[in-house]
Amino acid sequence: GAVVSQHPSRVICKSGTSVKIECRSLDFQATTMFWYRQFPKQSLMLMATSNEGSKATYEQGVEKDKFLINHASLTLSTLTVTSAHPEDSSFYICSARDWGTSGYERYEQYFGPGTRLTVT
Amino acid sequence: QKEVEQDPGPLSVPEGAIVSLNCTYSNSAFQYFMWYRQYSRKGPELLMYTYSSGNKEDGRFTAQVDKSSKYISLFIRDSQPSDSATYLCAMSYFNSGNTPLVFGKGTRLSVIA
Repeated sequence: GAVVSQHPSRVICKSGTSVKIECRSLDFQATTMFWYRQFPKQSLMLMATSNEGSKATYEQGVEKDKFLINHASLTLSTLTVTSAHPEDSSFYICSARDWGTSGYERYEQYFGPGTRLTVT
Repeated sequence: QKEVEQDPGPLSVPEGAIVSLNCTYSNSAFQYFMWYRQYSRKGPELLMYTYSSGNKEDGRFTAQVDKSSKYISLFIRDSQPSDSATYLCAMSYFNSGNTPLVFGKGTRLSVIA
């Protein structure tokens, strides 16, 4: 099956610093990737849709200047949390859709393992 | 009314039991339906996907979609302690690359040995 990786898996940073999280599709191309955050025992909350070669689309209430998204290639999207604060501490998960290699469209969405961010 | 409703549980069953997990939805435009399993502190893992109405079976898992009732189910036969996780239903309007899935809140399942 399609594999999505994230790096780092866990990061601790000081308040005011910036943190970059990478999301890679390892064995398929992904023109679109999605970024979610998840608080303990809560469901996934979509933050933004990342499109290769264009600006990301942010969900209502998500600050685009705080959560910078770059989707520079068909296999890599990055999320940068700028000037992080303790309330940004959360579990960040990316996902990507596999568009298949046989000329047909697939709609399955695969998730990365997540990145746990702790801001002290 | 939320687009997708899912009982958060927790649901606790003995090992070997048949588990039934369900979601209801309000928008008849949904056509693609998925079930994900998420272990604690891990990303969701795709378990099953179906298009339109009908059943799909994969090992101990069976997914059912009833579009007339706007109701989807995931059945787990011979449940194991390793099935203990949160199960999320998800659905999509279109088969379009930049259309995000709409998720239920997830049901926490515990299978007791």
